[in-house]
Amino acid sequence: SAVISQKPSRDICQRGTSLTIQCQVDSQVTMMFWYRQQPGQSLTLIATANQGSEATYESGFVIDKFPISRPNLTFSTLTVSNMSPEDSSIYLCSVELVLGQGGSYNEQFFGPGTRLTVL
Amino acid sequence: SQQGEEDPQALSIQEGENATMNCSYKTSINNLQWYRQNSGRGLVHLILIRSNEREKHSGRLRVTLDTSKKSSSLLITASRAADTASYFCATYTGGFKTIFGAGTRLFVKA
Repeated sequence: SAVISQKPSRDICQRGTSLTIQCQVDSQVTMMFWYRQQPGQSLTLIATANQGSEATYESGFVIDKFPISRPNLTFSTLTVSNMSPEDSSIYLCSVELVLGQGGSYNEQFFGPGTRLTVL
Repeated sequence: SQQGEEDPQALSIQEGENATMNCSYKTSINNLQWYRQNSGRGLVHLILIRSNEREKHSGRLRVTLDTSKKSSSLLITASRAADTASYFCATYTGGFKTIFGAGTRLFVKA
């Protein structure tokens, strides 16, 4: 399994400012993912972050708004830029591990999330 | 668009009863996972069922998978108040993406 920590756990920010969320994993992983969960909603994938390359963004998400860094195999950051109240969400970091005999299946693990409120 | 859709959206039962949640998806999958999320918290992985499996058990949890109908169900037996949470199914189709359904909100009354 993987143990994932995120900082900060929660923050209240003013509109127009930016917040950087950190994600730390206790083991080296190739793929890290950032999800957003708006109030009362399910999880939506923002982007996939690979070490040493640019993040791959899902439809509706752009690098200028959600720049991501992945400097090594255990760490990533997501920045929410020029925030508006619509950005109020829980942001979750996730990793995928290949498990099972011979790498027979993949399992995803999630951090505790960062609860962001934009006023 | 989301791959998985849970049914029902919300479920309220008495402690001791069984809770059944269903998930339907649209395309072929490698595996399907169920997660629990307590209010305002991170996700907890409950169980993974692979596309070549039909049923799995873990404690009070029973998951079935019908790939011909593209559906899965999660059964929680002898529910407890502590089972109150949102439950999500998530499908993995390869390509290193896991897609989440809308979730079922379960409320277990003591």
